[in-house]
Amino acid sequence: AQSVTQLDSHVSVSEGTPVLLRCNYSSSYSPSLFWYVQHPNKGLQLLLKYTSAATLVKGINGFEAEFKKSETSFHLTKPSAHMSDAAEYFCVVRVYNNNDMRFGAGTRLTVKP
Amino acid sequence: DTEVTQTPKHLVMGMTNKKSLKCEQHMGHRAMYWYKQKAKKPPELMFVYSYEKLSINESVPSRFSPECPNSSLLNLHLHALQPEDSALYLCASSQAYNTSFTDTQYFGPGTRLTVL
Repeated sequence: AQSVTQLDSHVSVSEGTPVLLRCNYSSSYSPSLFWYVQHPNKGLQLLLKYTSAATLVKGINGFEAEFKKSETSFHLTKPSAHMSDAAEYFCVVRVYNNNDMRFGAGTRLTVKP
Repeated sequence: DTEVTQTPKHLVMGMTNKKSLKCEQHMGHRAMYWYKQKAKKPPELMFVYSYEKLSINESVPSRFSPECPNSSLLNLHLHALQPEDSALYLCASSQAYNTSFTDTQYFGPGTRLTVL
């Protein structure tokens, strides 16, 4: 069965420093993986997705993620945090052969001035 | 355009009220979804419609009644809700269900529901 584990429930960084949000996945098949961001009292916005093309995926707002099959990881990174990046981030794996999504528990990113 | 709209943004209702949530997309998507999200938790799938037919009902209580009048519109009818049903209700859509592995779900902004 497919699942994802977000390794940190809360990450705090200073503005201008790098961001790393960690996600490990479990899948019997080659997975389809997503990162979504949710700002307070808002819906989910797609940041980026991996669907077995390039292993380094670039998304919106300067975020990128690298698919590492050997480590079963799909960590989200950004070189320099901005105050507007403060939000909840969800790593998601799509179940093979249908559109069911398995969400991680979420990581809350705090950005300090 | 990848926009999914939801109305209303906020809804407060009593336990005896009947209300409806509305979701709309004009991307030509043929799959639409309702999710429930409690505070500080990930979204939980409630229903999936594929080509205007109910494909998935994740054992949701009958006080929640979904409806898909056409390919662009999805409603969630609410009746006799409980305070524990208070949550953010999210709608999403994708090109299709149970097909392409590269398909992506696009989410609306949600309706914040409070049941008194």
